[in-house]
Amino acid sequence: DTAVSQTPKYLVTQMGNDKSIKCEQNLGHDTMYWYKQDSKKFLKIMFSYNNKELIINETVPNRFSPKSPDKAHLNLHINSLELGDSAVYFCASSQDSSASVVEQFFGPGTRLTVL
Amino acid sequence: GDSVTQMEGPVTLSEEAFLTINCTYTATGYPSLFWYVQYPGEGLQLLLKATKADDKGSNKGFEATYRKETTSFHLEKGSVQVSDSAVYFCALRRGGSYIPTFGRGTSLIVHP
Repeated sequence: DTAVSQTPKYLVTQMGNDKSIKCEQNLGHDTMYWYKQDSKKFLKIMFSYNNKELIINETVPNRFSPKSPDKAHLNLHINSLELGDSAVYFCASSQDSSASVVEQFFGPGTRLTVL
Repeated sequence: GDSVTQMEGPVTLSEEAFLTINCTYTATGYPSLFWYVQYPGEGLQLLLKATKADDKGSNKGFEATYRKETTSFHLEKGSVQVSDSAVYFCALRRGGSYIPTFGRGTSLIVHP
């Protein structure tokens, strides 16, 4: 009955590889997000999708490409991984993209380590 | 633009001590304000929220009051437990904005 799930939980890979992180939410939410959390716990928004369409794309290298096959899934693909990509990546969802009162629901995170 | 400023951590307390984590914000309009908590190895989860001035959010013994005059939303708890050790994030969200603005997080460490 997990609300927002991510796979894998840990990902260790070599520089230059391509990897994907999957996210699924079973809350029926319209909007999904990807965040990057650095070692100092700072959260940075990367992307936001509303009903499968990209609505926010912050300054992120184009090696990062989100894909939303349907409203319940938002996957993150990363090409040519670099050392600086090492971080914890969180997927999140919310019910309505524009109302101020709605909260976000976060997944458990994927810890990516690039060697 | 919108911004949220939290006190730097870590905040280190003994069990049963009183907790305050300061949060101030800058935003146009009338945002909703949130506190999220991140326990070790987990994702963020909503702790409490307030949607208009003078509202008080509360949950699990934590409280925060939306103070528009001081643009603040300080988190308080009367008696902390070891299990409260976590990182706490203050956040705001304006109507019409697709993404919330998060503070940098404040780590709380509670010793027995």
